[in-house]
Amino acid sequence: DTGVSQNPRHKITKRGQNVTFRCDPISEHNRLYWYRQTLGQGPEFLTYFQNEAQLEKSRLLSDRFSAERPKGSFSTLEIQRTEQGDSAMYLCASSLEGGGNQPQHFGDGTRLSIL
Amino acid sequence: AQSVAQPEDQVNVAEGNPLTVKCTYSVSGNPYLFWYVQYPNRGLQFLLKYITGDNLVKGSYGFEAEFNKSQTSFHLKKPSALVSDSALYFCAASSGGSYIPTFGRGTSLIVHP
Repeated sequence: DTGVSQNPRHKITKRGQNVTFRCDPISEHNRLYWYRQTLGQGPEFLTYFQNEAQLEKSRLLSDRFSAERPKGSFSTLEIQRTEQGDSAMYLCASSLEGGGNQPQHFGDGTRLSIL
Repeated sequence: AQSVAQPEDQVNVAEGNPLTVKCTYSVSGNPYLFWYVQYPNRGLQFLLKYITGDNLVKGSYGFEAEFNKSQTSFHLKKPSALVSDSALYFCAASSGGSYIPTFGRGTSLIVHP
């Protein structure tokens, strides 16, 4: 168990640029989640995958955000035309399949700073 | 809709004293409840969960939590705090009807030497 890996750890970009983050989950986990966390808040759900299928998306996920998990393994989260309000920590988590009763294993996140 | 409340932004306790971090929840149906800990610039680490069974759940690093259905609470406890327990603690809730947990805003635990 090598844990959930996220890259890059930090990303600084100018407003209007596109950014892409990668998450490698624990290999036997078929569920993968993306969250956004801002200072003083808990993680806010963005989207989740079961294998390669994106099963749920939050209303927080605007049209500028897109996520993929093409082979049911790693996932990418892309933000197009970044805005100041996108500055946050983006967390990825994975879990075993279960009816909501499985704990999630989190990566250390990608911190996005928009200049 | 699910919700989780952590009424204290910060809890201060002296090393060696017992600690409690409070959490109340609202879900439809039977709750699945979790506690996670987050250290600076790190992701969340799972501490313990309540799914069913005994109301007192034991987890990692000597932490335990008490499920109280009538008060819809799931408070985190530890008999003797360590300075190294200082971190941000998050309570989360889900249910059989939702695979997506809702997290509280977090409570900063500060353990003084």
